[in-house]
Amino acid sequence: GQQVMQIPQYQHVQEGEDFTTYCNSSTTLSNIQWYKQRPGGHPVFLIQLVKSGEVKKQKRLTFQFGEAKKNSSLHITATQTTDVGTYFCAGVGAGSYQLTFGKGTKLSVIP
Amino acid sequence: DVKVTQSSRYLVKRTGEKVFLECVQDMDHENMFWYRQDPGLGLRLIYFSYDVKMKEKGDIPEGYSVSREKKERFSLILESASTNQTSMYLCASSFRVPNNSPLHFGNGTRLTVT
Repeated sequence: GQQVMQIPQYQHVQEGEDFTTYCNSSTTLSNIQWYKQRPGGHPVFLIQLVKSGEVKKQKRLTFQFGEAKKNSSLHITATQTTDVGTYFCAGVGAGSYQLTFGKGTKLSVIP
Repeated sequence: DVKVTQSSRYLVKRTGEKVFLECVQDMDHENMFWYRQDPGLGLRLIYFSYDVKMKEKGDIPEGYSVSREKKERFSLILESASTNQTSMYLCASSFRVPNNSPLHFGNGTRLTVT
């Protein structure tokens, strides 16, 4: 079945440093979604990427979808303590309808 | 705003008990999902439903069943709870079309089986 690998599993950064999490799929994806889960909370949808090579920005967050539609990344510029949480990618395989989640990257920000 | 409500935030049950986890959504979503979340394992899909009375197995359906008698309600049933089913359970819903519609999650139910 489809697998979505996400690295790193944990990341500790000093406040103000940048952060990146990477997502790789074993198969071509029709689209990829990103979610954020704050400590003690539930996953909340951030964004969806559909097109090959697509780049989208949300303030300090930049999301990319690879040209081959098999990988994606989330980059946060100048992290803040409010960025703390676990970031999940989730992909839908081409021709499928089931969303497969990566295991997430847990971000800690040291003030 | 979409609201997905799970009936209990915390549950403690004994081994062998039958356990019902309830989920209700208020946005007329066709799709509903049950995930379990465990440290280091991420979110794993147990069952999903794309219509009333319809259900599909996810990646880890063993030991679970589901019921969807009404569009807004999706129940997860543990027929005979076991300690390895201690976990955080998350319900989610989405529109069927488009099939990449984002998921809206409930607050989760932390189940402990002793």
